[in-house]
Amino acid sequence: KAGVTQTPRYLIKTRGQQVTLSCSPISGHRSVSWYQQTPGQGLQFLFEYFSETQRNKGNFPGRFSGRQFSNSRSEMNVSTLELGDSALYLCASSLGRARGTQYFGPGTRLTVL
Amino acid sequence: GQQLNQSPQSMFIQEGEDVSMNCTSSSIFNTWLWYKQDPGEGPVLLIALYKAGELTSNGRLTAQFGITRKDSFLNISASIPSDVGIYFCAGPEYNTDKLIFGTGTRLQVFP
Repeated sequence: KAGVTQTPRYLIKTRGQQVTLSCSPISGHRSVSWYQQTPGQGLQFLFEYFSETQRNKGNFPGRFSGRQFSNSRSEMNVSTLELGDSALYLCASSLGRARGTQYFGPGTRLTVL
Repeated sequence: GQQLNQSPQSMFIQEGEDVSMNCTSSSIFNTWLWYKQDPGEGPVLLIALYKAGELTSNGRLTAQFGITRKDSFLNISASIPSDVGIYFCAGPEYNTDKLIFGTGTRLQVFP
């Protein structure tokens, strides 16, 4: 069974631009969660989607948004990029609600110049 | 919110040695997860623990769910070079189910 895939793997943007990241969960998994990983803050929860509905949200500004499609694929959008948004963005999927076991993708490395 | 503290922050050990690391919280967790992350990759699930006192092994790895439900331990026996990476503990936050990650333990293994 294929794992979680994320595209693109690497991205370079400039301040003020917006970016969309994509995540395809493991086949049959209905929950997708997004995380931001930085050296200073570690792994921080962004949001969780289950059956196309946002079920949980972390403490990030409204510039960070996401959505989930009927096939469980998810996208994450960051508008008006700031230098501090440079990070590894990780997507994880789980069979049901993300109460425990989650499987991560390789991440998208975003660099904001 | 709940926080998870891992120790040690980093370890430098010789190949063949056993390794021990732990994860503590000031509040209760009902599930403990241990992940390993290689450079440039996403975390990979190693072991999941669902019951206080549970001891679970995965090859050379053994993890335990603390009796108080406020801590967990991960042991690696007879370390090898491919054990190098960052080890994270994680657990779902009690009232929100958001997955909280520990601060990580960076493991270096030298021959």
